[in-house]
Amino acid sequence: AQSVTQPDIHITVSEGASLELRCNYSYGATPYLFWYVQSPGQGLQLLLKYFSGDTLVQGIKGFEAEFKRSQSSFNLRKPSVHWSDAAEYFCAVGASGGSNYKLTFGKGTLLTVNP
Amino acid sequence: SQTIHQWPATLVQPVGSPLSLECTVEGTSNPNLYWYRQAAGRGLQLLFYSVGIGQISSEVPQNLSASRPQDRQFILSSKKLLLSDSGFYLCAWSRTSRAPHYGYTFGSGTRLTVV
Repeated sequence: AQSVTQPDIHITVSEGASLELRCNYSYGATPYLFWYVQSPGQGLQLLLKYFSGDTLVQGIKGFEAEFKRSQSSFNLRKPSVHWSDAAEYFCAVGASGGSNYKLTFGKGTLLTVNP
Repeated sequence: SQTIHQWPATLVQPVGSPLSLECTVEGTSNPNLYWYRQAAGRGLQLLFYSVGIGQISSEVPQNLSASRPQDRQFILSSKKLLLSDSGFYLCAWSRTSRAPHYGYTFGSGTRLTVV
């Protein structure tokens, strides 16, 4: 079964600073990987995804993530954080096959942005 | 385009009262449907998923049940609410397992407070 670890529960950065949120996954084959963002009291919004091809994927809101098979990682990055990026971020891994397709989510990283 | 609707947005219910949360998807057919719960600081817990009408799989034993009376309708219910049922409930849909790279699309959530 697949699993996802987000080692950082809470990260605080200053506005304008760079950001990297870590995600490690466990899955036996090529995974489908996703990053979602959740603002307080809202549903989850897809930021970006990887399933094949270029290992550096671009997403919405200026985010990018890099798939590194050797490290089983899919870290999310942004060169300059804006105050509106304060939210909770979830990494997820999906597996194909059978009818019970499910995503497995990490426990999330809460991002605080200081002015 | 596809849209997902979830209601109500907030709900305050007394202990022992019944519950019914509804989720509908538009613009697609035969989606996979999911109910998640978020307790404060505890990430996303998959409660139920459905791959078709009348087909419900439960992930964890609990005081809740789910039903799928129509292709694009997913209902979360309880006969008697417990205090521990409080939380943020999210509905999501995905394409079938043949297209896992699309990931999930989430509704905007229901904040349930049991008093």
